[in-house]
Amino acid sequence: KQEVTQIPAALSVPEGENLVLNCSFTDSAIYNLQWFRQDPGKGLTSLLLIQSSQREQTSGRLNASLDKSSGRSTLYIAASQPGDSATYLCAPANDYKLSFGAGTTVTVRA
Amino acid sequence: NAGVMQNPRHLVRRRGQEARLRCSPMKGHSHVYWYRQLPEEGLKFMVYLQKENIIDESGMPKERFSAEFPKEGPSILRIQQVVRGDSAAYFCASSPPVAGDEQFFGPGTRLTVL
Repeated sequence: KQEVTQIPAALSVPEGENLVLNCSFTDSAIYNLQWFRQDPGKGLTSLLLIQSSQREQTSGRLNASLDKSSGRSTLYIAASQPGDSATYLCAPANDYKLSFGAGTTVTVRA
Repeated sequence: NAGVMQNPRHLVRRRGQEARLRCSPMKGHSHVYWYRQLPEEGLKFMVYLQKENIIDESGMPKERFSAEFPKEGPSILRIQQVVRGDSAAYFCASSPPVAGDEQFFGPGTRLTVL
């Protein structure tokens, strides 16, 4: 059974700082890994998808790395903005099943 | 291209009633997944369906819960005789028919059982 841990649970930073969100998972036999953003009371927005054969994926200010063998992924958000405030979820996929961590709740202060 | 659609967005039921949650996948997507987010818990996989087939329902409670994805129309998650513990956010996701592809989520249905 896949177990996903996200550290830290919460993060508060001033605007402009870079964010580093960590994710670890126990079963390294994954197809891919997705990072999502969830706003309070809303659905999930897919941010990045990293295939198991990839080490890194970038989209705008977001960069995610994957070390499949050690069961780790890191999401970097450059030059944070107040609009980045949300809960970020890491979800490795074993076959088609996504497993979710509890998330990291980010607050970016203006 | 409209995203994944779910309705209703909010649903209130009394104990013992039935709840029907609907999900329309993105255009061109033939795979549908249902996940449940209980209060103060992470999302958990419930069921994976393709058109007219249940592929994996290992995350679904054995009783009272069922899911379908008919040839025509949306996918339906049905909960019979709801109990207070069924109160949660239910999310549907869809993906194209390519193994290992990205899942896109709908806005969720928030079920409250009184």
